[in-house]
Amino acid sequence: DVKVTQSSRYLVKRTGEKVFLECVQDMDHENMFWYRQDPGLGLRLIYFSYDVKMKEKGDIPEGYSVSREKKERFSLILESASTNQTSMYLCASTLTGDTYNSPLHFGNGTRLTVT
Amino acid sequence: AQTVTQSQPEMSVQEAETVTLSCTYDTSENNYYLFWYKQPPSRQMILVIRQEAYKQQNATENRFSVNFQKAAKSFSLKISDSQLGDTAMYFCAFMNRGGADGLTFGKGTHLIIQP
Repeated sequence: DVKVTQSSRYLVKRTGEKVFLECVQDMDHENMFWYRQDPGLGLRLIYFSYDVKMKEKGDIPEGYSVSREKKERFSLILESASTNQTSMYLCASTLTGDTYNSPLHFGNGTRLTVT
Repeated sequence: AQTVTQSQPEMSVQEAETVTLSCTYDTSENNYYLFWYKQPPSRQMILVIRQEAYKQQNATENRFSVNFQKAAKSFSLKISDSQLGDTAMYFCAFMNRGGADGLTFGKGTHLIIQP
């Protein structure tokens, strides 16, 4: 089974802090994604990456950046955390070219609170 | 850009009843995939069922089935003989063929199965 691991289940940070959310997958997937989940808004795509050192903006990239130095690891960075970034963050991965049979595999989420 | 609409924020049914969750989407694409994901309180996103747009036959997975109406851009989920473990958030999702840019999700329906 594909495993997508997010380093923290809960995280509490202060306004203005630089925050790193880490995600690792163990199935050699090319594509990795960061979503943000908020009540009443569903899941919204922040950034995605289809290869090492490649990144693409999703629907709500403002206030975020990402890093993908190795194929298995995709980091989401909040340069200066703000209270409106309090949310659940979900990482996901999938294979290129087989997305129907291998749709998104998700981690368990990181619930981030910014105070 | 694609949009996915789930018009029922919350639904509640008795155990063993049948329930239908609605989903509509908007796209100019002809080839695409549709999915239903379940998110129980554990927060793990679980793929429930998927449908290829060019297949007219509705997908079925045990107690879960879909009613796919391509012309109407409708993709509803039917859960038969509902069980307490079906209590969860349910998300409808759209993916372009190729899928390198991930899924577009609806806002979700919170389904509660009452004993």
